[in-house]
Amino acid sequence: ELQLVESGGGLVQPGRSLRLSCVASGFTFDDYAMHWVRQVPGKGLEWVAGISWDSGTLSYAASAEGRFAISRDNADSSMFVQMNSLRSDDTAFYYCVKGRGAAVAGAGWYFDLWGRGTLVAVSS
Amino acid sequence: SFELTQPPSVSVSPGQTASITCSGDKLGEKFACWYQQKPGQSPLMLIYLDMKRPSGIPERFSGSNSGNTATLTINGTQAVDEADYYCQTWHDRKAIFGGGTKLTVL
Repeated sequence: ELQLVESGGGLVQPGRSLRLSCVASGFTFDDYAMHWVRQVPGKGLEWVAGISWDSGTLSYAASAEGRFAISRDNADSSMFVQMNSLRSDDTAFYYCVKGRGAAVAGAGWYFDLWGRGTLVAVSS
Repeated sequence: SFELTQPPSVSVSPGQTASITCSGDKLGEKFACWYQQKPGQSPLMLIYLDMKRPSGIPERFSGSNSGNTATLTINGTQAVDEADYYCQTWHDRKAIFGGGTKLTVL
């Protein structure tokens, strides 16, 4: 069964760090780029970051640039995001998402598998 | 920065046709895709490459993209189609989502 399972969410104070993990199963993980997409409860979707199949290309939204670091371990079919200097507006569900192809971005690329999400709450 | 604009809400009667628009500068020169999200669930891909449906997506869902606007059309809307819908494209190697449209089936 195709599956993405996120973990690592929780309550964290502003300015602190958190590392989210995602474990994939049911497909050849190292054939595909992977992404993190977040959603403030009750609000819309926001792409956060993407990583190519070989970790050769990393791409970030402006809101994540310089604070978040995406990475992956193909041997363990896992993806991660290290989130530093967290702010209250980082509070959201964070989804692990499988990309259409091996590259981070491409004309017509889309997200064809989503995890259930893990909630990150940044509050003092 | 590149933005995609969707109407916050659309209402439709059961059995009628619902159209949800997504507008962006020269969006027709890019590819658009659409996702459906029901309460408490993760998003589900509905349409990719402007108009293609993944296997398992009902034929009543269709898409188009021209000029500055991509459109998701639902023919014969059913109560189960009540959900939030998001368009998405790529700009400068970054994924861009529309703000989402809440479809209400009255």
